[in-house]
Amino acid sequence: GAVVSQHPSWVICKSGTSVKIECRSLDFQATTMFWYRQFPKQSLMLMATSNEGSKATYEQGVEKDKFLINHASLTLSTLTVTSAHPEDSSFYICSARSGTAYNEQFFGPGTRLTVL
Amino acid sequence: DAKTTQPPSMDCAEGRAANLPCNHSTISGNEYVYWYRQIHSQGPQYIIHGLKNNETNEMASLIITEDRKSSTLILPHATLRDTAVYYCIVRIDTGGFKTIFGAGTRLFVKA
Repeated sequence: GAVVSQHPSWVICKSGTSVKIECRSLDFQATTMFWYRQFPKQSLMLMATSNEGSKATYEQGVEKDKFLINHASLTLSTLTVTSAHPEDSSFYICSARSGTAYNEQFFGPGTRLTVL
Repeated sequence: DAKTTQPPSMDCAEGRAANLPCNHSTISGNEYVYWYRQIHSQGPQYIIHGLKNNETNEMASLIITEDRKSSTLILPHATLRDTAVYYCIVRIDTGGFKTIFGAGTRLFVKA
């Protein structure tokens, strides 16, 4: 199957700093990318959907000014957690959908964010 | 997307078949049944999907009832590496679909 990578796999930062997480589709063009957040022992929660070249669509309750999403190319999307606080500590997972195999959705390995 | 109901946890002996049920009584005619699993601290992994016919691949089998209101994922010979959270999801397959995860079933495969 298609491969989605994330970088970094884990990050520790101080409260108040911003953190950028990259999501790449390695062997296909991703017309749509999704960002999820997962707290310990909970399910994945969809944060936002982004289409290449367009603004992201955020799910209800997700602060768009807090979680900046950029999908500037067909193989790269970034999530920036601005002014991170300890409550933002979570497992962030991206997912990508191919423009050709339209019904398939591929998931990245996740990024563990810890805010001190 | 339709909601699904799964048992929170299940146990299975290594080498035996693991049968994971899912109820999706409000599924629409154009919605597929998808199964993913998530091993601890990893991203979800696609397992199998189907519309109304039973499906089988190298990982699992999917049995969908005739009225499509429920389904069962079967891992024919569970191994310790199959210990994971299994998510049953129903969604359309075209247009702007979104994959929404429920609570899933935590499967423990025991030696």
